[in-house]
Amino acid sequence: KQEVTQIPAALSVPEGENLVLNCSFTDSAIYNLQWFRQDPGKGLTSLLLIQSSQREQTSGRLNASLDKSSGRSTLYIAASQPGDSATYLCALINDYKLSFGAGTTVTVRA
Amino acid sequence: GAVVSQHPSRVICKSGTSVKIECRSLDFQATTMFWYRQFPKKSLMLMATSNEGSKATYEQGVEKDKFLINHASLTLSTLTVTSAHPEDSSFYICSARDWTGGRDQPQHFGDGTRLSIL
Repeated sequence: KQEVTQIPAALSVPEGENLVLNCSFTDSAIYNLQWFRQDPGKGLTSLLLIQSSQREQTSGRLNASLDKSSGRSTLYIAASQPGDSATYLCALINDYKLSFGAGTTVTVRA
Repeated sequence: GAVVSQHPSRVICKSGTSVKIECRSLDFQATTMFWYRQFPKKSLMLMATSNEGSKATYEQGVEKDKFLINHASLTLSTLTVTSAHPEDSSFYICSARDWTGGRDQPQHFGDGTRLSIL
């Protein structure tokens, strides 16, 4: 069974600082990896989808890397803003099923 | 972009009541939808895969008779929590996938339903 771990569980940074969020997984036989954002009491918003053949994806201030050999993915958010405050979840995709980590809750202080 | 609408957003009801949650894909057809459950500060747990026109596939440990899933059309799946009890209180989220774009299309999520059983 795929185990997905996100450390730390919570993170607080001042505005403008770069964010580094980690996701580790036990089974490297994944197909794709997806990063999501979840605001309190809300559903999930897809941020980036990395296919297993790719090593990274970028969208604006967001960059996500994938290293299957080490079982890790990292989400970088450049120049953080208060609006980036949310919980960030990574999910491993295998056979169309998603295995989620518990998320990292980010607070960006103005 | 692809939109998934989930209704209602919040339900508060008495123990023993059955509650139906709807999940609709608004601008694409979804032959498969997924139902998740999320506990506070925990990861989403896949409950079942909903297949249009056929029976849902439930994950291990999920009671089929407790969580009834119907996927009668290409844009609508429903989850009915039967005879709900306080331990069923949770955040339920659905997702749907647009299969027309190929295998690598992402899943799109609804805004979730907060279910509180008194």
